[in-house]
Amino acid sequence: KAGVTQTPRYLIKTRGQQVTLSCSPISGHRSVSWYQQTPGQGLQFLFEYFSETQRNKGNFPGRFSGRQFSNSRSEMNVSTLELGDSALYLCASGASISGGHTGELFFGEGSRLTVL
Amino acid sequence: GDSVTQMEGPVTLSEEAFLTINCTYTATGYPSLFWYVQYPGEGLQLLLKATKADDKGSNKGFEATYRKETTSFHLEKGSVQVSDSAVYFCALLGVYNQGGKLIFGQGTELSVKP
Repeated sequence: KAGVTQTPRYLIKTRGQQVTLSCSPISGHRSVSWYQQTPGQGLQFLFEYFSETQRNKGNFPGRFSGRQFSNSRSEMNVSTLELGDSALYLCASGASISGGHTGELFFGEGSRLTVL
Repeated sequence: GDSVTQMEGPVTLSEEAFLTINCTYTATGYPSLFWYVQYPGEGLQLLLKATKADDKGSNKGFEATYRKETTSFHLEKGSVQVSDSAVYFCALLGVYNQGGKLIFGQGTELSVKP
């Protein structure tokens, strides 16, 4: 079974630009979560999607957005990039059901974003 | 709100030493508790979990017991190997299970020397 695939793995942007990151979950998984990982703040929850609907959102500004497609693939977008957005962005999929979540997540290797 | 506190690292041990990484939590009711591990250059992997008080999660020689009375979920291993060198994250999933939002601790880096 293929794991969670994130693209691109590395990217460099400049302040003010926007970026789109992609995530393909494990086949059959309908839940996709996104996390930001930085040395200072650790792992912080961005949002989670289930069946194309955002079920929960973390405490990030509106510049951070996401979506999920009918095949469960997900994208996140960050607009008007700031230096502080430099981080490893991790996507995770889970075999969630409509009524809840088990907490058992399968993570991709991440997309490392550097903002200059 | 819910939170997780882990002991700070880095932790450096010799091969075959005993490992304990402390984790305590603050949450309403009985959350589910997890340990995830992140090897260099990789994403996180679920190591073990416990979903109710007094449950013991175990995997690959690692163990952790869900202690409601002390709100703790300490990770232990009797004999560490060089291959265990990684960053370990304690995490919880709150009772109200808000869309799969895991709360992670800051992570504890473990380095095992031969």
